[in-house]
This record gives sequence, structure tokens and C-alpha cells, in this order.
Amino acid sequence: KAGVTQTPRYLIKTRGQQVTLSCSPISGHRSVSWYQQTPGQGLQFLFEYFSETQRNKGNFPGRFSGRQFSNSRSEMNVSTLELGDSALYLCASSLAGGVSSYEQYFGPGTRLTVT
Amino acid sequence: DAKTTQPTSMDCAEGRAANLPCNHSTISGNEYVYWYRQIHSQGPQYIIHGLKNNETNEMASLIITEDRKSSTLILPHATLRDTAVYYCIVLHNNAGNMLTFGGGTRLMVKP
Repeated sequence: KAGVTQTPRYLIKTRGQQVTLSCSPISGHRSVSWYQQTPGQGLQFLFEYFSETQRNKGNFPGRFSGRQFSNSRSEMNVSTLELGDSALYLCASSLAGGVSSYEQYFGPGTRLTVT
Repeated sequence: DAKTTQPTSMDCAEGRAANLPCNHSTISGNEYVYWYRQIHSQGPQYIIHGLKNNETNEMASLIITEDRKSSTLILPHATLRDTAVYYCIVLHNNAGNMLTFGGGTRLMVKP
């Protein structure tokens, strides 16, 4: 079974631009979560989508948004990029809600650099 | 969610068992113990989880003490590819699907 895929793997943007990252979950997984990982802050939860609806949201500004499509693929968007948005953005999929949702399978991440 | 305490780093000889401890003395009755690892420059990888009983899968074994205040992740035959940061996390089943990693244990497997 194919794992979680994320595109692009690397991205360089300038301040003020916007960016869209894509995630394809493992086949059959309906929940997709997004995380930001930086050396200073560690792993931080952005949001989770399940059945095309945002089910949980972390503590990030409104510049960070996402969506999920009917095939469970998900995108996240960051508008008006800031230097501090430079990070590894990770997508994780899981089967469904409940306890099993913490059995999450991560993609390789998209490394975003904002200059 | 209960706080966990792990050693900052550990070494293990290749081919030997790696035993990674985790203290979670404030764990509540319905919180699960999860283990993840992250190899450098890769996304985190789920390893195993458990509630009360010991668990084993193709990657590792999880031993949870009877009082559930601590656990040990065992990699039975460590390889160089097991060099990674290992995170022990305690989660309530309605914590909103959010994973948060603490400092973890940096395991170095040496030839």
C-alpha cells in the first residue's frame, strides 16, 4: 500500500507570497492532519480534516487554511508568507476518529523556505 | 494529557536490544501510551501503542508497568537504521487528534 505523499518536497518563496501544499493520504484513510515542525517550536498541530470538514484546529493565525476533497486528498494554504513560516510542513493520515486516530502515518513533508 | 519524561539520549550496539524508558506518572486510566520516532530529515513514524497490556508488532514491543506509570519500548535487534529520536506520548482518546512531541530520546545505534 502506498504511503502518504506530499508535494512539493521543497519550496522557496518570498515574503508576502502565498503557497499551497498538497497531501495524498494512504488509500482508505479519511482523516488528514497537518503539522508544522521547526527546530525551535517542535511539532505543532495546524488542523485536521475528516470527510471534507475541518474537525480540529490548532493555534495558528487565519493565514493558514486548508481543505479536503471528496477523495480525502488535502491541501493547505498559507497566505501572506512571513519569514517565520519557514518550516517543515507534515501531513499525516489515519483511518478515522477515535483512539485509532493517533495511529497516524506521516508523509515526508514539504520544506518551505521563506526569504 | 499526561506529561512524559524520557532520557535525552542513549546509545545501543548494533544487533543488541534497545530499551527506551518513559515515565508517565500522572497518566489517567483512559490515556494511551504511544511511541513514534523520527529519523533525521524524515516525517515521524508511528511505532506502537498500548493501554494496559504489553504489545508487540513487527517493529517493537511495548512493556507497560502494572501501575501504568512507566513504559519501555524495546527494539529487539537494533540496526543502524534505527538511529532516530524516539517520542513517548500519552494521549486521551478525545484530545482532538493532535499529536505533540516532547524532547524525546535520541537513540544512536553504533556498529
